[in-house]
Amino acid sequence: NAGVMQNPRHLVRRRGQEARLRCSPMKGHSHVYWYRQLPEEGLKFMVYLQKENIIDESGMPKERFSAEFPKEGPSILRIQQVVRGDSAAYFCASSPSSENTEAFFGQGTRLTVV
Amino acid sequence: GNSVTQMEGPVTLSEEAFLTINCTYTATGYPSLFWYVQYPGEGLQLLLKATKADDKGSNKGFEATYRKETTSFHLEKGSVQVSDSAVYFCALSPKGGSEKLVFGKGTKLTVNP
Repeated sequence: NAGVMQNPRHLVRRRGQEARLRCSPMKGHSHVYWYRQLPEEGLKFMVYLQKENIIDESGMPKERFSAEFPKEGPSILRIQQVVRGDSAAYFCASSPSSENTEAFFGQGTRLTVV
Repeated sequence: GNSVTQMEGPVTLSEEAFLTINCTYTATGYPSLFWYVQYPGEGLQLLLKATKADDKGSNKGFEATYRKETTSFHLEKGSVQVSDSAVYFCALSPKGGSEKLVFGKGTKLTVNP
């Protein structure tokens, strides 16, 4: 049973480009969470999605960031017109339900904006 | 609001030493508490958890007790190994489930042979 798969592991983008981060949850998991880890910081919640629905996006920046979890395929975190401050590690986690107390994390995508 | 404060690192110990990493929290209601571990180059793995006051979570020789009176969830291990070298994160879930975890900044532990 594969774990949470994130790709790419490393992504380099120039300022102004778009970044697309992908997350395939564990089999049977329909709840996905995205977190951002800035240097020397803990993980910060960004968004919680169920299939085709955004449940809680209170941690998402108001502009340039969007997330989706379509009926088929992985969850996508999209960052438009990236800036240097977007450089961070982005982690995805999944669980079979929100009541379940264990979220399984992927290895993360390290985004570097140059 | 909800927050987690854990002791700053890095922490460097010799093999077989005793480990304590302090963690205190602020939360409304009755959160669940977690310790996650991140080995180099990997994602976070759940190490242990506790869902109510006075619960003790334990795994791989690590323990932590949910102390409501002191709002703490300190991580302890009696005898650390080189393989325990990693970053440890304390976290809480305000609603008790797996959504919207609130993390501390992490404590990097290095264990020398």
